[in-house]
Amino acid sequence: AQSVSQHNHHVILSEAASLELGCNYSYGGTVNLFWYVQYPGQHLQLLLKYFSGDPLVKGIKGFEAEFIKSKFSFNLRKPSVQWSDTAEYFCAVNAPGGATNKLIFGTGTLLAVQP
Amino acid sequence: DGGITQSPKYLFRKEGQNVTLSCEQNLNHDAMYWYRQDPGQGLRLIYYSQIVNDFQKGDIAEGYSVSREKKESFPLTVTSAQKNPTAFYLCASKAGAHNEQFFGPGTRLTVL
Repeated sequence: AQSVSQHNHHVILSEAASLELGCNYSYGGTVNLFWYVQYPGQHLQLLLKYFSGDPLVKGIKGFEAEFIKSKFSFNLRKPSVQWSDTAEYFCAVNAPGGATNKLIFGTGTLLAVQP
Repeated sequence: DGGITQSPKYLFRKEGQNVTLSCEQNLNHDAMYWYRQDPGQGLRLIYYSQIVNDFQKGDIAEGYSVSREKKESFPLTVTSAQKNPTAFYLCASKAGAHNEQFFGPGTRLTVL
């Protein structure tokens, strides 16, 4: 069965620090990969996605993620975080064409950015 | 203004009662999903529907039921058989072939 691991459950950073959140998945075939963000009191929203092509994808608000197929990873990065990046971040994977056609989510990473 | 609406935002229920959570979308999406979010557990799939009048169980369907009589609507009923129903419930709909999902604002259910 597919699974997604987010090893950082809580991350605390100061403003302007660099961010990297880990995401690993277990599936050997073609995958679609997503990072979602949930700001306090707001909808879960898409941060960025990878379907195919350039493995370095750029999303909203200066976030980017790199798909490394050999490592089954899709880590999220931001060079300099802001207080407004405080949120919960979820990695998700989908195997297109599968019978269930569903997203599998990681357990989430709570990021707190201190001003 | 397109989007997904869920109501109510907060819901309180006594043990032994069934309760229905509403989810409506005007995005013209075929597929809709219900997730449950618990602290430290991420989102877990309860039920999903890829087309009207059809739905499938997700990973944690026990104690829940759904219907999909209209494309726009996918209500979730939390029955008294659900052993631990207090949670945050999220509805989503799917756009496109790559399963990019859009989420509603959620309903927080508390069982007293």
